[in-house]
Amino acid sequence: ETGVTQTPRHLVMGMTNKKSLKCEQHLGHNAMYWYKQSAKKPLELMFVYNFKEQTENNSVPSRFSPECPNSSHLFLHLHTLQPEDSALYLCASSPYDRGAQSYTFGSGTRLTVV
Amino acid sequence: AQSVTQPDIHITVSEGASLELRCNYSYGATPYLFWYVQSPGQGLQLLLKYFSGDTLVQGIKGFEAEFKRSQSSFNLRKPSVHWSDAAEYFCAVGAGFGNEKLTFGTGTRLTIIP
Repeated sequence: ETGVTQTPRHLVMGMTNKKSLKCEQHLGHNAMYWYKQSAKKPLELMFVYNFKEQTENNSVPSRFSPECPNSSHLFLHLHTLQPEDSALYLCASSPYDRGAQSYTFGSGTRLTVV
Repeated sequence: AQSVTQPDIHITVSEGASLELRCNYSYGATPYLFWYVQSPGQGLQLLLKYFSGDTLVQGIKGFEAEFKRSQSSFNLRKPSVHWSDAAEYFCAVGAGFGNEKLTFGTGTRLTIIP
């Protein structure tokens, strides 16, 4: 257990479904991130939140909708996904003032779109 | 823009043998460099990081890495691998202190044979 918890661990959804991924940390961190990990590709940064405010959207399609209600929780709402969206979605957190130096990653949600 | 190249997609070594995983980066200023390990079904765990100072850094699990500015490299080494080291290894570069962005390489999958 790393301190960053992601649920569910696995998710299979149809292209017309709506689902949400959840990330939770109680490390006292103020920055949270969503990364996408696809086979044979580098990790792709999707979204960054600092103190609940979105500070980066890396040209992510609107079928992915993040939500950060507080510094401890981060969601990724999914709707009308495509098969190419199947991937491992990783959440990470860090103290705001240390950024990339102190990432803690969750174990990820393995998403399969059918 | 920063980038990371891990030229070896897959490496196989015998248990007890030495290991070197290659990483080359491209960045205009002094880079912040990281090695992460990912076991199957898990998130990423930080092995070691380099920010400044001694160019040979020690990490967890007996790993070390050497920063060579002239070669733009940050290769990961271990003198004697164990079967439990089988995993995927990612090199990453960060833009600087307090900056939250990490750019990852495509990873090197390590297989250990008896």
